[in-house]
Amino acid sequence: KAGVTQTPRYLIKTRGQQVTLSCSPISGHRSVSWYQQTPGQGLQFLFEYFSETQRNKGNFPGRFSGRQFSNSRSEMNVSTLELGDSALYLCASSAGTGGNSPLHFGNGTRLTVT
Amino acid sequence: QQPVQSPQAVILREGEDAVINCSSSKALYSVHWYRQKHGEAPVFLMILLKGGEQKGHDKISASFNEKKQQSSLYLTASQLSYSGTYFCGTALNDYKLSFGAGTTVTVRA
Repeated sequence: KAGVTQTPRYLIKTRGQQVTLSCSPISGHRSVSWYQQTPGQGLQFLFEYFSETQRNKGNFPGRFSGRQFSNSRSEMNVSTLELGDSALYLCASSAGTGGNSPLHFGNGTRLTVT
Repeated sequence: QQPVQSPQAVILREGEDAVINCSSSKALYSVHWYRQKHGEAPVFLMILLKGGEQKGHDKISASFNEKKQQSSLYLTASQLSYSGTYFCGTALNDYKLSFGAGTTVTVRA
């Protein structure tokens, strides 16, 4: 089975721009979770989608949004980028929901905001 | 709410044992353990659901004390391949897994 695929792998944007990150889960997985990873903050939960519905959201500003499509693929959008948004964004899929099933992580998208 | 992990870092020689602790102030639905090597994605090790069960993965095992809302990861007879950052993840319900800050494990020959 193919793993979780995230595109693009690297992005460089300037402050004020917006960005869309994409995640294709493992075939058959209906849950997709997004995390922001920075050296100082570890893995911070952004949101989790299950069957196209957002089930939970982390403590991030409204500039961070996401959605899930009927084929379980998910996108994350960040508008009005700030320098502090520079991070590795990880997507993870699971067969069940994030609390009771193992998460399978993609290799992430490295976002640099200048 | 993020769980608290300790210690922040540990250095071992091959063959030595280590324990990583994870605690929460709220009642937990489940505890997960992941390992991330430098430049790679986190990899699932094991999940413990309510019930105080203990699970194992090679010579890595974990326990979950439901009454204390604590979990411990045991690295036994460590190998060089055990090096990496270990994260515990806790869920209060069946959605939203929150991770601790991580414990960096370095195993030396």
